[in-house]
Amino acid sequence: KAGVTQTPRYLIKTRGQQVTLSCSPISGHRSVSWYQQTPGQGLQFLFEYFSETQRNKGNFPGRFSGRQFSNSRSEMNVSTLELGDSALYLCASSLAGASPYNEQFFGPGTRLTVL
Amino acid sequence: AQKVTQAQTEISVVEKEDVTLDCVYETRDTTYYLFWYKQPPSGELVFLIRRNSFDEQNEISGRYSWNFQKSTSSFNFTITASQVVDSAVYFCALSEARNNDMRFGAGTRLTVKP
Repeated sequence: KAGVTQTPRYLIKTRGQQVTLSCSPISGHRSVSWYQQTPGQGLQFLFEYFSETQRNKGNFPGRFSGRQFSNSRSEMNVSTLELGDSALYLCASSLAGASPYNEQFFGPGTRLTVL
Repeated sequence: AQKVTQAQTEISVVEKEDVTLDCVYETRDTTYYLFWYKQPPSGELVFLIRRNSFDEQNEISGRYSWNFQKSTSSFNFTITASQVVDSAVYFCALSEARNNDMRFGAGTRLTVKP
């Protein structure tokens, strides 16, 4: 069974640009969550999608957005990039996501560097 | 609001030593879930254990054991006879039943030297 895949693995952008990251969950998983990991702030929850609907959102500005497709694949978009957006972006999928009891499986992450 | 504190930023031990990673949490919910994840240098978070707030039984899995104490709001993780492959960053996390917002601690970087 293939794990969670994230593309691209590495990305370099400049300030002001926008970026789209992709996440393919484990087959059959309907919930996808996104996290940002930085040395200063640690791991922070961005948002969760379940059945194409955003179900939960962390405390991030509106420049961070996401969506989920009917096949459960998810994308997150960051517009008007800032230096502080440089981070490892992790995606996690879970079977149903109806409860945090469902184990989340994490992908390898996309490392975004903003210059 | 939920909060997880991992006071130990870095720990260094010599192989075969036992090591305990501390985790203290805060929540107002009576139903919540606690997790430990391992993040090796590759970056991918690896699930280690999940415990719900109604199950205070300690758990042992091979060289790993977990001690959950609601009275002190702690969920500590012990590695017995540590090995070099245990070197990683370990995260404790909390999720309240009413949402799916997993709150992570800052992580503890464990280095096991041969």
